[in-house]
Amino acid sequence: EAGVAQSPRYKIIEKRQSVAFWCNPISGHATLYWYQQILGQGPKLLIQFQNNGVVDDSQLPKDRFSAERLKGVDSTLKIQPAKLEDSAVYLCASSWASDTQYFGPGTRLTVL
Amino acid sequence: EDQVTQSPEALRLQEGESSSLNCSYTVSGLRGLFWYRQDPGKGPEFLFTLYSAGEEKEKERLKATLTKKESFLHITAPKPEDSATYLCAVQARLHTSGTYKYIFGTGTRLKVLA
Repeated sequence: EAGVAQSPRYKIIEKRQSVAFWCNPISGHATLYWYQQILGQGPKLLIQFQNNGVVDDSQLPKDRFSAERLKGVDSTLKIQPAKLEDSAVYLCASSWASDTQYFGPGTRLTVL
Repeated sequence: EDQVTQSPEALRLQEGESSSLNCSYTVSGLRGLFWYRQDPGKGPEFLFTLYSAGEEKEKERLKATLTKKESFLHITAPKPEDSATYLCAVQARLHTSGTYKYIFGTGTRLKVLA
């Protein structure tokens, strides 16, 4: 069974630029999550989708971050404009329902 | 406020030296507690799920236990390949929507020396 796929694996941008990350969950998983993990910290949930609807985006900085999950499968997370403090690893995870999450390898973002 | 605290932050063990990692939590409507292992440059890898106080799960040298306020990850006779960051996460009820949210601790960085 293929795992959660993410791309790109690494991205370096300058502050005020925009960036987008892509996630393809495990086939059949209805729930998709985006997390931000700053070095030395645990993952922080940014947004949770159930199929293509948003369940929780209470910790998403909506002035600069946006996410969508069209057709209830793939998802993209966008940052526009990026700030220095956005440097982190962005993890995507999926689960069958509200069950065990399986994580992708993450995208390491560096904002200069 | 829902909170998850892991201790210690870092732990160095000699190969074969058993120890325990702690995850304490304060959440409303706990549904489950999860343990993950994270290697550098990789996403967290699922280890265990515990749902009720008194429950125990084992996998090779690892055993996870759960009480009403905390969970322990016991590592018996660890090997260098057990070196990683171990993350604890709780699944708590998300207001009244019937759905759940996950809250992660900051992890314990384990180093096992040969």
